[in-house]
Amino acid sequence: AQSVTQLGSHVSVSEGALVLLRCNYSSSVPPYLFWYVQYPNQGLQLLLKYTSAATLVKGINGFEAEFKKSETSFHLTKPSAHMSDAAEYFCAVSGKGGGNKLTFGTGTQLKVEL
Amino acid sequence: DAGVTQSPTHLIKTRGQQVTLRCSPKSGHDTVSWYQQALGQGPQFIFQYYEEEERQRGNFPDRFSGHQFPNYSSELNVNALLLGDSALYLCASSVQGSKPSTDTQYFGPGTRLTVL
Repeated sequence: AQSVTQLGSHVSVSEGALVLLRCNYSSSVPPYLFWYVQYPNQGLQLLLKYTSAATLVKGINGFEAEFKKSETSFHLTKPSAHMSDAAEYFCAVSGKGGGNKLTFGTGTQLKVEL
Repeated sequence: DAGVTQSPTHLIKTRGQQVTLRCSPKSGHDTVSWYQQALGQGPQFIFQYYEEEERQRGNFPDRFSGHQFPNYSSELNVNALLLGDSALYLCASSVQGSKPSTDTQYFGPGTRLTVL
């Protein structure tokens, strides 16, 4: 079964600092990977997705992620954090079997401090 | 263009009751998925509907059932509610592409269900 693990349930950074949110996947086949963001009392918004094209994927709001097969990782980064980035971030892997069922990690709460 | 909409926003039920949650997909989308997000957890896949048929199902009991209508909207029904069913229920819609596993899912704001 495919799964993702997010290391660090809470991450705190200073405004302007680098954001690094970690995600490792487990899959017996090449995975399709996604990062979603959830603001308080809202649904999930797609930041970016990896679908086996370029290994460096650029998303919205200045975020990007790099697929590293050797490390089974798909970490999310942003060079300079902004207060508006404070939210919960979820890594997800897409399933097989004809549909696009998503299996999510447990999430990382990002706090941005002045 | 309206995104994915869900109703109601909040719902309070008691144990043993039944509940129906509704979802309207984004315009042009034909596939609807439902997820349960317990407090402090990531969303868990319940099931997915395409062409009015259940295409995939997660590890949820038969108390959870669904339906998709010809206009692609969908309902999630939960019978015999348990305290543990309290959660945010998210609906997501997508367009069936040539490679479904890569299709982007667009999420609604969710319905917060509280079971007392």
